[in-house]
Amino acid sequence: GAGVSQSPSNKVTEKGKDVELRCDPISGHTALYWYRQSLGQGLEFLIYFQGNSAPDKSGLPSDRFSAERTGGSVSTLTIQRTQQEDSAVYLCASSEYQGKGETQYFGPGTRLLVL
Amino acid sequence: GNSVTQMEGPVTLSEEAFLTINCTYTATGYPSLFWYVQYPGEGLQLLLKATKADDKGSNKGFEATYRKETTSFHLEKGSVQVSDSAVYFCALSGGTYKYIFGTGTRLKVLA
Repeated sequence: GAGVSQSPSNKVTEKGKDVELRCDPISGHTALYWYRQSLGQGLEFLIYFQGNSAPDKSGLPSDRFSAERTGGSVSTLTIQRTQQEDSAVYLCASSEYQGKGETQYFGPGTRLLVL
Repeated sequence: GNSVTQMEGPVTLSEEAFLTINCTYTATGYPSLFWYVQYPGEGLQLLLKATKADDKGSNKGFEATYRKETTSFHLEKGSVQVSDSAVYFCALSGGTYKYIFGTGTRLKVLA
């Protein structure tokens, strides 16, 4: 079946503009994660959605970052007033359940460059 | 808090060489441990995992054993191929939904 998809694959924007990144998880997966991968760094947790529960936003680096998940499926990560330090690869992952042994399935990422 | 430390790369090997990428962790309780691989231009994908002490995960010739006494989950492969060139991430999940990833180790295999 189809894996996790993300769009756009690349985004170049000017400092101060808003951007929206989209994630389509695997159908039926209840858990969805957003991560940020900066050059030479590991994956930085941003936000987690599980079913209809309130999301865990504890990893969002500032109030310029927000995310929503509509209908328990597609998710959008929005970055307002982008800064150069926001340049990174943004990865989305989904898993069938919440649980410590669950495998996460990753999308190919969106590479964001803020000029 | 939970953490994962893996060896810094890049690691450069000749084809058919033996590979070890070290990974150690700090966690309370009994986390699950993972190795993910990221091939050029692609997203991360699960390589192998182990959910309890002494378990050995294996896939595509790679192996890693969950060693609670040394808090380690080292990745090994007996004979690497050029197609194994990628970035390898060690990760743990410690009883909640949060995963902790290492910084990644880049492997380059030369023909």
